[in-house]
Amino acid sequence: QITLTESGPTLVQPTQTLTLTCTFSGLSLSTSGVSVGWIRQPPGKALEWLALIYWDDDKRYSPSLKSRLTITKDTSKNQVVLTMTNMDPVDTATYYCAHGSAFDIWGQGTLVTVSA
Amino acid sequence: QSVLTQPPSASGTPGQRVTISCSGSSSNIGSNYVCWYQQLPGTAPKLLIYRNNQRPSGVPDRFSGSKSGTSASLAISGLRSEDEADYYCAAWGDSPSGWVFGGGTKLTVL
Repeated sequence: QITLTESGPTLVQPTQTLTLTCTFSGLSLSTSGVSVGWIRQPPGKALEWLALIYWDDDKRYSPSLKSRLTITKDTSKNQVVLTMTNMDPVDTATYYCAHGSAFDIWGQGTLVTVSA
Repeated sequence: QSVLTQPPSASGTPGQRVTISCSGSSSNIGSNYVCWYQQLPGTAPKLLIYRNNQRPSGVPDRFSGSKSGTSASLAISGLRSEDEADYYCAAWGDSPSGWVFGGGTKLTVL
């Protein structure tokens, strides 16, 4: 059974860098074909894809946010980390990590509020 | 503004069949698989359909997906009250787009 859990700060100040961790079980990011992605959802709004990392360390980013995002993996810890720089109140959202090429399993999400 | 276009709302009565459309372009839906997600209030999205029309284990066959050209549709037959949720379509967009989502459709069961 695959599970994913997001963790990180609930409140971030404007201009700060956000670091979120996705800890997973039931899968290995050293196995061929495996990927983990990040998706966010502002309150009352639609889903927005952010980034994706593959087992071979290939990385893909949303073109509109690419300059602010970094995704990395720690295979030994079963974790994927997303950093987003220069946070702004419009980045207030629930951030989800999800497994696979079709996002078949999602974490419960973590709400991040950007406010002074 | 989402890359894929969905109607903001849809509705039906119990037992009815409803469809939700998703319109894209040749660089996303037109050349890649479509997925559909169901999001119940206050919960994370759940995969309903992948590869245009495939259902993950555990998803009732009341849910079906189809794709034609640059558009896709989700059909729900035998509508139930528990189907009341937000539904999102998604597709991989050709480089450099990455994954693109629709704006979501709020389904109300009357």
